Amino acid sequence: NAGVTQTPKFRILKIGQSMTLQCTQDMNHNYMYWYRQDPGMGLKLIYYSVGAGITDKGEVPNGYNVSRSTTEDFPLRLELAAPSQTSVYFCASSIPGLGGEKLFFGSGTQLSVL
Amino acid sequence: AQSVSQHNHHVILSEAASLELGCNYSYGGTVNLFWYVQYPGQHLQLLLKYFSGDPLVKGIKGFEAEFIKSKFSFNLRKPSVQWSDTAEYFCAVSSSGGYQKVTFGIGTKLQVIP
Repeated sequence: NAGVTQTPKFRILKIGQSMTLQCTQDMNHNYMYWYRQDPGMGLKLIYYSVGAGITDKGEVPNGYNVSRSTTEDFPLRLELAAPSQTSVYFCASSIPGLGGEKLFFGSGTQLSVL
Repeated sequence: AQSVSQHNHHVILSEAASLELGCNYSYGGTVNLFWYVQYPGQHLQLLLKYFSGDPLVKGIKGFEAEFIKSKFSFNLRKPSVQWSDTAEYFCAVSSSGGYQKVTFGIGTKLQVIP
């Protein structure tokens, strides 16, 4: 199994450009998430989805948009890139259960906005 | 809202030393607790988790954590660290029941010196 796959791994954007970070999972997980990781700040939840067609904001949604048209895919869109969006982005997925959420993470996308 | 506090941001230990990383959470209800680890160049992976039962939880690679409800704590321990334990460690909490949003602490970087 591939698990959670993110593309691209690295990207440099100019201020004002737009891009889409791709995330796909092959585990048939209902829940998917986008986190950003900044040094000394831990992981902050940007958006999450509990199933196809359902998305909701996390802690830091401003400047981002998501969609969830299929169970497998959960792309994250940056419309007008800003230096504050320089970060490492992680997509994750999980399946709800009594044992609590075990998150499966992708390998991350390192984004620089210059 | 739930939150997680990790006390040690950067820890340096010699091989064979004992490790304890502090984690406290704030949430008024029943929680699930997690420790995730991120080895250099790799994505986050689950180290161990607590959701019910024995408050002493054993995870992979000899790690364990103890849930102390009265102290709202979930400290991570290992009796004897190895160089390969060099990584960043994240404590996380989610509420039990319903959608279990996971909130992460800011992480602790552990450096083990041979």
